[in-house]
Amino acid sequence: TQLLEQSPQFLSIQEGENLTVYCNSSSVFSSLQWYRQEPGEGPVLLVTVVTGGEVKKLKRLTFQFGDARKDSSLHITAAQPGDTGLYLCAGPTGNQFYFGTGTSLTVIP
Amino acid sequence: NAGVTQTPKFQVLKTGQSMTLQCAQDMNHNSMYWYRQDPGMGLRLIYYSASEGTTDKGEVPNGYNVSRLNKREFSLRLESAAPSQTSVYFCASRIESGLYNSPLHFGNGTRLTVT
Repeated sequence: TQLLEQSPQFLSIQEGENLTVYCNSSSVFSSLQWYRQEPGEGPVLLVTVVTGGEVKKLKRLTFQFGDARKDSSLHITAAQPGDTGLYLCAGPTGNQFYFGTGTSLTVIP
Repeated sequence: NAGVTQTPKFQVLKTGQSMTLQCAQDMNHNSMYWYRQDPGMGLRLIYYSASEGTTDKGEVPNGYNVSRLNKREFSLRLESAAPSQTSVYFCASRIESGLYNSPLHFGNGTRLTVT
């Protein structure tokens, strides 16, 4: 069983549409991170959320950390083809760092 | 400006063969990690090293061994490869495992196929 579950697993949308990706756990995390991965490359950090209820914006991307620090969401406004990629949430437990199951996003021009 | 370097990029093994995946980072990070990535599974932690001289098991350590050769290098060894170990392997580093909001820096992966 995965510590972090993401939904949906796959998402294919038209350019200009909005979307939300969810990351859920039954465990409490001190922080959660979101990464984006492009084909043939390693994941790259987008953002870290630390405080329960925190909302962070990165241009058209909005990240939220749940009040109980068990879940997080990523909302993309007016998606563009350049947003295409695999989005992964991740959180620390002790010295280990667990990743979610991933959401593969395709934005069609 | 290399960051995390993994070698080789691609490898094909036959069942039972052994090999070592190499990883080196030039960011003076203390912590290093090995993950495998399979479709629909995200990234799963194989082994990690919180600091030079220490290694610990992650979620899926069976069939693997690691060596933290020095602060820069962290290798992953498959002693007797099995088809179930076909995957993409990523090495990552962080400045300090105790700093919960420090990011992981990844290499570009090794694509391993075991036939």
